[in-house]
Amino acid sequence: GAVVSQHPSRVICKSGTSVKIECRSLDFQATTMFWYRQFPKQSLMLMATSNEGSKATYEQGVEKDKFLINHASLTLSTLTVTSAHPEDSSFYICSATLAGGVETQYFGPGTRLLVL
Amino acid sequence: QKEVEQNSGPLSVPEGAIASLNCTYSDRGSQSFFWYRQYSGKSPELIMFIYSNGDKEDGRFTAQLNKASQYVSLLIRDSQPSDSATYLCADLYSNYQLIWGAGTKLIIKP
Repeated sequence: GAVVSQHPSRVICKSGTSVKIECRSLDFQATTMFWYRQFPKQSLMLMATSNEGSKATYEQGVEKDKFLINHASLTLSTLTVTSAHPEDSSFYICSATLAGGVETQYFGPGTRLLVL
Repeated sequence: QKEVEQNSGPLSVPEGAIASLNCTYSDRGSQSFFWYRQYSGKSPELIMFIYSNGDKEDGRFTAQLNKASQYVSLLIRDSQPSDSATYLCADLYSNYQLIWGAGTKLIIKP
């Protein structure tokens, strides 16, 4: 149980295009979903916290107009990187929280984005 | 500002030995802690969580929490080369957020 999927796993795009990444909790309803990015050999960096039906809460320094988050249901959140540039190339990882008892984050497999 | 501190390592342990990973936290009121393992190029995977003082065992893994001293540790018994990874300690914050340590890189030498 507690499986989180992400799609696509890898994407290469041209500078200026937009990329959408989907995060789904497959066998549970997620109270909250999180979006992280991670550069090589660096720590996870939280980008935003997402709750179903409400606006995402972005961390300081993360542009909400560039990283659009839509949390359409208790099992689906999407991150759209708008007008992507090479500096947006990174490993994007989502997690979903399974509530009840100790709230536990389960991670998706991640999406590797390369912007040319 | 809540903080979680981990030695970045690398920590090198011979195969079959016990690997001991440590983490300290700043907020005395913190209740729940998590250990995740992250292989290079992969996303984190949950090993276990702990919220009571003392030890919690799951297979070869034992998490230890000492609230008085504000540290959390993870012991891995009978270490295997496949245990080589970065181990992340995290403190549960409000709104289900986790405050992450920087991670300790563990290398198990055959």
